[in-house]
Amino acid sequence: KQEVTQIPAALSVPEGENLVLNCSFTDSAIYNLQWFRQDPGKGLTSLLLIQSSQREQTSGRLNASLDKSSGRSTLYIAASQPGDSATYLCAVTSNTGNQFYFGTGTSLTVIP
Amino acid sequence: NAGVMQNPRHLVRRRGQEARLRCSPMKGHSHVYWYRQLPEEGLKFMVYLQKENIIDESGMPKERFSAEFPKEGPSILRIQQVVRGDSAAYFCASSQFPPGQGRGNYGYTFGSGTRLTVV
Repeated sequence: KQEVTQIPAALSVPEGENLVLNCSFTDSAIYNLQWFRQDPGKGLTSLLLIQSSQREQTSGRLNASLDKSSGRSTLYIAASQPGDSATYLCAVTSNTGNQFYFGTGTSLTVIP
Repeated sequence: NAGVMQNPRHLVRRRGQEARLRCSPMKGHSHVYWYRQLPEEGLKFMVYLQKENIIDESGMPKERFSAEFPKEGPSILRIQQVVRGDSAAYFCASSQFPPGQGRGNYGYTFGSGTRLTVV
């Protein structure tokens, strides 16, 4: 069964810093990997989607990489802002499954 | 495009009552997924439906929970005789194609969730 782990569980940084969030998964046979943002009491907002054949995706200050063979993905956030404070979730879909497997998230706080 | 619409946003039920959660997928999406997020836990898959069909319900509790996605109207997640342990946020997602079908760069779009509180 696929297991997704996110490290660290919580992270606090001063505004303006660059930061990296980590995601690892146990089964490398994935179809895609998606990073989401979840604000307290709110739903999930999709940030970046990486297909298994891709190595990275970029959107604005966000860059996500995927190393399928080692079962790892990173989300890089440049020049962090207080508005980036949220929980960031990593999720993978297997080739044969109908579901995403979610990590438990990294809670990010950006201090003004 | 209004996105994935879930209602109600908040639902309070007494123990033993029934809870009905509704999800309208994005326009053009025919695949619906339900996830549950228990307090302090990650999102867990419950069920995957296409129009009028349950494709995968491997994450659904065996009793009291059911889901449908009729030909017309929203998908419904129904919880009968609710208990305190059912208190959670229930999220619905939709996609144009199912995952693992090689149809290109399509992911899930999630709704804002229904927060169920059982008192």
